[in-house]
Amino acid sequence: GESVGLHLPTLSVQEGDNSIINCAYSNSASDYFIWYKQESGKGPQFIIDIRSNMDKRQGQRVTVLLNKTVKHLSLQIAATQPGDSAVYFCAEINSGYSTLTFGKGTMLLVSP
Amino acid sequence: EAQVTQNPRYLITVTGKKLTVTCSQNMNHEYMSWYRQDPGLGLRQIYYSMNVEVTDKGDVPEGYKVSRKEKRNFPLILESPSPNQTSLYFCASSLSPGQPQHFGDGTRLSIL
Repeated sequence: GESVGLHLPTLSVQEGDNSIINCAYSNSASDYFIWYKQESGKGPQFIIDIRSNMDKRQGQRVTVLLNKTVKHLSLQIAATQPGDSAVYFCAEINSGYSTLTFGKGTMLLVSP
Repeated sequence: EAQVTQNPRYLITVTGKKLTVTCSQNMNHEYMSWYRQDPGLGLRQIYYSMNVEVTDKGDVPEGYKVSRKEKRNFPLILESPSPNQTSLYFCASSLSPGQPQHFGDGTRLSIL
């Protein structure tokens, strides 16, 4: 919804640029990570995931990078389009505890 | 179509009046979860359920109850709502905690 975007860091890019959204996670025991996209008025939507035994995974126009040494996750979006404008969340899971912890989110604004 | 359905989508009510938000999924998922989303705080897990008759507290369970009598349904119950429970609520489901969750479109609750 519209209130989701308040207080969020914002990344503004031009259409066609590549976007990089960063996320620092907190638990060194987390072994599974997910990026979600949330458009206004909708629930989070799965984009891409990565397990802790990998450091890079590619999807269609998106790439996730995982650096376990510094507990950092990034989402790269190639050739960003206006339809990519949304709030993006990373989430970490410790499979042993069955709970999912979300980051605060980053708002991506794409101008034509 | 695979989906998670929440009802109602919007509700304005008064302090102390019991309410239930329903959640239903048609994907035969075992894992279901409730979140609340607040500006500046992101998504926080309220309760989750690993399977029928198995529920556990998440990060912010105070003031909420859940039940899981059937695999497809996971209602969220506010026995005596208070204004600090005004928020945007999401239900989600997945095959297991280690799989991406499918989210409903949210329920916006306002407690006056």
